[in-house]
Amino acid sequence: GAVVSQHPSWVICKSGTSVKIECRSLDFQATTMFWYRQFPKQSLMLMATSNEGSKATYEQGVEKDKFLINHASLTLSTLTVTSAHPEDSSFYICSARVSETGDSGNTIYFGEGSWLTVV
Amino acid sequence: GDSVTQMEGPVTLSEEAFLTINCTYTATGYPSLFWYVQYPGEGLQLLLKATKADDKGSNKGFEATYRKETTSFHLEKGSVQVSDSAVYFCALSENFNTDKLIFGTGTRLQVFP
Repeated sequence: GAVVSQHPSWVICKSGTSVKIECRSLDFQATTMFWYRQFPKQSLMLMATSNEGSKATYEQGVEKDKFLINHASLTLSTLTVTSAHPEDSSFYICSARVSETGDSGNTIYFGEGSWLTVV
Repeated sequence: GDSVTQMEGPVTLSEEAFLTINCTYTATGYPSLFWYVQYPGEGLQLLLKATKADDKGSNKGFEATYRKETTSFHLEKGSVQVSDSAVYFCALSENFNTDKLIFGTGTRLQVFP
């Protein structure tokens, strides 16, 4: 089946630094990718929708200047957490929608997630 | 707003035991309902779905029925295997287009031989 890969799986960074998480669709093209985060014992929450070649659409309450999303190609979206703080420590998951018409166009594949710890 | 509530884990079972993971939802419209599974080291995978009331989704021996009257979508399996050990997420979307999925917190299932 289709694979979405995230990198890194685990990252520890110092407070005040920036960290980038990559999301790649390995065997399909994805015009739309999604970024979620999950705090301990809470639900996965959609942060933003990323469309190739255009600006991301952020959910209410998500700071777009802090969580920079770039979707420069049909197989890669990146999430950069800028000036990270300990409260940004979380589990970040991306997903990608297959760029096809018909029912396959609604199929979404998820990455394995990235654990971010800010110390 | 719309929300999903699922039972906290972990759920620990012996092989061949019966599994139920409860999921209830709150939605203003007529959502589609999903169960996703995440095996260790892998991404979430769609396990099954139901798009309207009384629909039953099924896959790999798992079943869930869309119950509008109780706003529930409980996941069941008659006989679990060790390989079913994973985290299970209940989710809804406001329509068939799964652009905006609202997830529950996830329930970890551990099956022992």
